Amino acid sequence: NAGVTQTPKFQVLKTGQSMTLQCAQDMNHNSMYWYRQDPGMGLRLIYYSASEGTTDKGEVPNGYNVSRLNKREFSLRLESAAPSQTSVYFCASSEDRVEETQYFGPGTRLLVL
Amino acid sequence: QKEVEQNSGPLSVPEGAIASLNCTYSDRGSQSFFWYRQYSGKSPELIMSIYSNGDKEDGRFTAQLNKASQYVSLLIRDSQPSDSATYLCASIRGSSNTGKLIFGQGTTLQVKP
Repeated sequence: NAGVTQTPKFQVLKTGQSMTLQCAQDMNHNSMYWYRQDPGMGLRLIYYSASEGTTDKGEVPNGYNVSRLNKREFSLRLESAAPSQTSVYFCASSEDRVEETQYFGPGTRLLVL
Repeated sequence: QKEVEQNSGPLSVPEGAIASLNCTYSDRGSQSFFWYRQYSGKSPELIMSIYSNGDKEDGRFTAQLNKASQYVSLLIRDSQPSDSATYLCASIRGSSNTGKLIFGQGTTLQVKP
């Protein structure tokens, strides 16, 4: 039982490049989330998916797209990376509703030059 | 004003002392509050949740909620060096079915031997 896994662990991009961050959970959770964490800013929600087939915007969705591929997997795509997207990205999942415990993946450190 | 606000610290306490971490929130409609702990370079993990006014105890941890004054606190008794981490306060914006977790910026706690 791996919990929430994320790939890659670390990535360097040039401005304008695209990439997809992958997230998978093996806890049979319905809800999945993508956050970014910047120094002094706490965690900010980018997108979330309350169930398979649905996605909704969070606080900071601009510049990102998501896909809930199936119940297990929730990917985050940067179409044209910008230096302002340099951050640590965390994926999380919860059994059902947002008030339930969210389990976080190990994070992806992204540097955009 | 940030929706969930914490003093970023660092808060330094000697081993064995009580550490008191505070959080204020601006949305009077918020009903659910959470404390997550994040070790340096790691992902957040839930340590306490609180939904009603008053105190909730779990081992060495006590969460306190005062809805009239719109603050939440976390007390750590008999602080240990292993408690040194960043503590994130969070509340739910919106309903439990469609809401979002809003995090404060976190307070860094240092427990000195």
